[in-house]
Amino acid sequence: GDSVTQMEGPVTLSEEAFLTINCTYTATGYPSLFWYVQYPGEGLQLLLKATKADDKGSNKGFEATYRKETTSFHLEKGSVQVSDSAVYFCALSPPNTDKLIFGTGTRLQVFP
Amino acid sequence: DTGVSQNPRHKITKRGQNVTFRCDPISEHNRLYWYRQTLGQGPEFLTYFQNEAQLEKSRLLSDRFSAERPKGSFSTLEIQRTEQGDSAMYLCASTSTSIRRGETQYFGPGTRLLVL
Repeated sequence: GDSVTQMEGPVTLSEEAFLTINCTYTATGYPSLFWYVQYPGEGLQLLLKATKADDKGSNKGFEATYRKETTSFHLEKGSVQVSDSAVYFCALSPPNTDKLIFGTGTRLQVFP
Repeated sequence: DTGVSQNPRHKITKRGQNVTFRCDPISEHNRLYWYRQTLGQGPEFLTYFQNEAQLEKSRLLSDRFSAERPKGSFSTLEIQRTEQGDSAMYLCASTSTSIRRGETQYFGPGTRLLVL
């Protein structure tokens, strides 16, 4: 079945460091891909998404590119801030349904 | 801003009791989803509605679980004869149906259930 695998955390970085959180997926057809973020004490919210191959999603300095050939959707940010500390979830939506299939989440901790 | 709301936010119950959760989606959204999230895991899909029709149910949804959306607005999720393994965060999300793929789902704050 369809699934998402993302790197285990926690990822611990100093402020202004470069961030990569790896995400790979298994799916039939062409799913839509998402990154959701959960800040401490808050609900899940969409960070960015891409709906077809080679699309790049971006928001708040974060980027991810839909790579069909490597079935990946890695999340990157050039310079993280303390306020980026949160849990990040990679997810896919199969082409025949809008339900989301999530990875296990990666906790990011950014220190000043 | 009327986002997705869920009630109650927290529920503690004893094993064997029945519990019911409510979700109020964003008013113009016709699709409503339920997910379950356990500690250290990502949310897992349970079921979804388009208007009042329940279109898909996960195999995770045992016969002790039932969900309704009687008028296509709010939804309830009932768990009968709760077990300790039902302890989790129950999340509701909503979105609009459109011809575009990958519509954003908007999540509520969740209901945290603890079964003693």
